[in-house]
Amino acid sequence: QVQLQESGPGLVKPSQTLSLTCTVSGDSISSGGQYWSWIRQPAGKGLEWIGRIYTTGSTNYNPSLNSRVTISIDTSKNQFSLKVTSVTAADTAVYYCARAWFDSWGQGTLVTVSS
Amino acid sequence: QSVLTQPPSASGTPGQRVTISCSGSSSNIGSKDVSWYQQLPGAAPKLLMYSTSQRPSGVPDRFSGSKSGISASLAISGLQSEDEADYYCAAWDVSLSAWMFGGGTKLTVL
Repeated sequence: QVQLQESGPGLVKPSQTLSLTCTVSGDSISSGGQYWSWIRQPAGKGLEWIGRIYTTGSTNYNPSLNSRVTISIDTSKNQFSLKVTSVTAADTAVYYCARAWFDSWGQGTLVTVSS
Repeated sequence: QSVLTQPPSASGTPGQRVTISCSGSSSNIGSKDVSWYQQLPGAAPKLLMYSTSQRPSGVPDRFSGSKSGISASLAISGLQSEDEADYYCAAWDVSLSAWMFGGGTKLTVL
């Protein structure tokens, strides 16, 4: 059974870069031709898809975040990562990583943007 | 403002049938499959329905999905107290090349 686990700093200062990593177990991130996504949810609000990366490294991003987001993949560690630059308080949210059409999710990690 | 539109709330009594709608456009629901997610309080979302009407293993057959044109629906029959949760629809948008979520519907079991 596949498991995903997000990790990274829980507090980021405004204007800095948010960096998170998703470690996958129970499935090979490099086989099967799957997509791996990042999704976030501000407190009390709905889900927002951030972007995804394919096994080959090709990416798609939410147009509303496109210029600030980079998703990368490290097949040797079975991980994929998220970077969001120039963060503001509006980027405060629980960040989830998920597989394919979101059939498996990590437990989520809260990232707060504050000085 | 979400690309996919859901009613913010829905409610029903135990045993009732409840339907949650999700309205989109020709570039998402109109041309792509819809998936649904259930989010219990304090938990990560869980896949409830994929490819519009397919239930993952373990999801009761009380849950069903359908689509017509640019709108999709999730139906829950024989409503139970443990169904009280937030429900989200999602679909790939071919124009935006992005996944879009509905704003979510909070289901209350009275």
